[in-house]
Amino acid sequence: GESVGLHLPTLSVQEGDNSIINCAYSNSASDYFIWYKQESGKGPQFIIDIRSNMDKRQGQRVTVLLNKTVKHLSLQIAATQPGDSAVYFCAENPSNTGKLIFGQGTTLQVKP
Amino acid sequence: EAQVTQNPRYLITVTGKKLTVTCSQNMNHEYMSWYRQDPGLGLRQIYYSMNVEVTDKGDVPEGYKVSRKEKRNFPLILESPSPNQTSLYFCASSKLHNEQFFGPGTRLTVL
Repeated sequence: GESVGLHLPTLSVQEGDNSIINCAYSNSASDYFIWYKQESGKGPQFIIDIRSNMDKRQGQRVTVLLNKTVKHLSLQIAATQPGDSAVYFCAENPSNTGKLIFGQGTTLQVKP
Repeated sequence: EAQVTQNPRYLITVTGKKLTVTCSQNMNHEYMSWYRQDPGLGLRQIYYSMNVEVTDKGDVPEGYKVSRKEKRNFPLILESPSPNQTSLYFCASSKLHNEQFFGPGTRLTVL
């Protein structure tokens, strides 16, 4: 797998490798976090979410890790496939508000 | 099929000509929101609504209006569009404090 530092705009991985996309969030009051995937020409699509009372959540081939101490969120994609190529956004929801604050996005490129 | 729909999908207009972009959801969601997406700036929230007749400003509300007269609809109104409102617009809906479902987007060009 390939680990990246906080917000690299582009991540290139080999098909079959694991991908790790990182995100730093800004608001200590945020208690809900979401990862979205956006393919070219489409709207963002929900991947996985996590609430602040958890530090890890797993889905199908994806895992989200939350470190509240350093305000860091990561998305791990196992066995990355060409169909995973997209822009990935993290988003935070400050507690008791309707706001959703998006990160800058990371473009994941999967090489065959 | 559960979905968020937006109309129109593409619009080219001129400065100052009022326009409305419609958004509708069929999931009985309380929450609806509008975003604009610009290169290098990501997705920014314009307005949101946590229920009927309840709306609030997001991060970039200037030049936009919204209304929420019914639960399913959340139109975005540009009273006097300007070229800096050229952007890709997304509507989204959700149950309160849950993942948002996004529409397909409306690409607006203001000449």
